[in-house]
Amino acid sequence: GESVGLHLPTLSVQEGDNSIINCAYSNSASDYFIWYKQESGKGPQFIIDIRSNMDKRQGQRVTVLLNKTVKHLSLQIAATQPGDSAVYFCAETHLFTGGGNKLTFGTGTQLKVEL
Amino acid sequence: DGGITQSPKYLFRKEGQNVTLSCEQNLNHDAMYWYRQDPGQGLRLIYYSQIVNDFQKGDIAEGYSVSREKKESFPLTVTSAQKNPTAFYLCASSPKRGQGKLFFGSGTQLSVL
Repeated sequence: GESVGLHLPTLSVQEGDNSIINCAYSNSASDYFIWYKQESGKGPQFIIDIRSNMDKRQGQRVTVLLNKTVKHLSLQIAATQPGDSAVYFCAETHLFTGGGNKLTFGTGTQLKVEL
Repeated sequence: DGGITQSPKYLFRKEGQNVTLSCEQNLNHDAMYWYRQDPGQGLRLIYYSQIVNDFQKGDIAEGYSVSREKKESFPLTVTSAQKNPTAFYLCASSPKRGQGKLFFGSGTQLSVL
């Protein structure tokens, strides 16, 4: 899972398995969260978002879970494919006090899919 | 990359030189941002602009400057005061104030000669 340290955590999974990437956020006032995927040498790409009034949100092959009690966010990827190999970032913000335009990003987790 | 164009893709800076990174968007977004990314780390906010002719410092604005004369353009200048400019620079935009979701460009890799 993610950490705020200098080392990029790495998650290795077998193709076809499910992946779970974790993120601990720090601001208890944050009410909007996003997961981004970044491939090498490219800009981050939006995957899925969730507001704090929800615990779970599903997309295509992805699910985001939010636990506000322990300030924890996770991204689940079903049937992981080689194209899922990338760095995944969580980001947080507080939309309703003017913070909505300032996302705070986590360090990122490198997902490696093994064939 | 969702209508956000960054140029050039690679840029080299000599000691004491100012360089400008271009960011153009055709998404009609109000807000634009510049982030810096160092290897193995997350994104750190340099500057952001929520409307034309207005911008605010982010967390690491020292050694950088921006302008927002047009809605579609938000150039970033890396000045000679920035002593460690080597990084991957990302420009982003969002549709309106208070909209958290950002759309990113493809980035510019800046290196020092």
